[in-house]
Amino acid sequence: AAGVIQSPRHLIKEKRETATLKCYPIPRHDTVYWYQQGPGQDPQFLISFYEKMQSDKGSIPDRFSAQQFSDYHSELNMSSLELGDSALYFCASSLGPSLPSYEQYFGPGTRLTVT
Amino acid sequence: QKEVEQDPGPLSVPEGAIVSLNCTYSNSAFQYFMWYRQYSRKGPELLMYTYSSGNKEDGRFTAQVDKSSKYISLFIRDSQPSDSATYLCAMSGGAGGTSYGKLTFGQGTILTVHP
Repeated sequence: AAGVIQSPRHLIKEKRETATLKCYPIPRHDTVYWYQQGPGQDPQFLISFYEKMQSDKGSIPDRFSAQQFSDYHSELNMSSLELGDSALYFCASSLGPSLPSYEQYFGPGTRLTVT
Repeated sequence: QKEVEQDPGPLSVPEGAIVSLNCTYSNSAFQYFMWYRQYSRKGPELLMYTYSSGNKEDGRFTAQVDKSSKYISLFIRDSQPSDSATYLCAMSGGAGGTSYGKLTFGQGTILTVHP
């Protein structure tokens, strides 16, 4: 079965650079969630989109922005990168809030390293 | 204080043992309760979910939710070395609320099952 696809899988950036992470949800899934997992930490919710509209917002820095496109893929844009942004970034997808959204399926993650 | 607290472990058990993993939470709005398994450097994999209070069994796994005590558990019977991973509890307010299903995770428990 098709899974959530994230690209790139690994990314190395320097401080103050920008990064763009991409997420391709499972076919027919219309809701995308972004999570950040620091070393030894649990995943922290950043932001979510349903039908191309932002549906919820968590602890996402103002330096980050995201959007969902007409084909439901999503991109997380990160600017003015800081050392503390080094983490695993997960995207998850599910069917929309018209159904219980407990079944979130996670992608393999993008490991971002800021030097 | 975190909304979701999970016994951090780590746990080390012999093959065939029964494993008990636990989380407590403080947010009464949580309606959906999930357990994820995460292997090193991989995305979380949904194991089980339950809605509201009760038990749910799936093979060697049993999930229990006690909303009156704000306490959830995952039991693994006949544990196998392949069960060695980090187990994360996660919770959601579910559809119809303002959360649109964003997950709040526990800190994770590292489980090692040795042959």
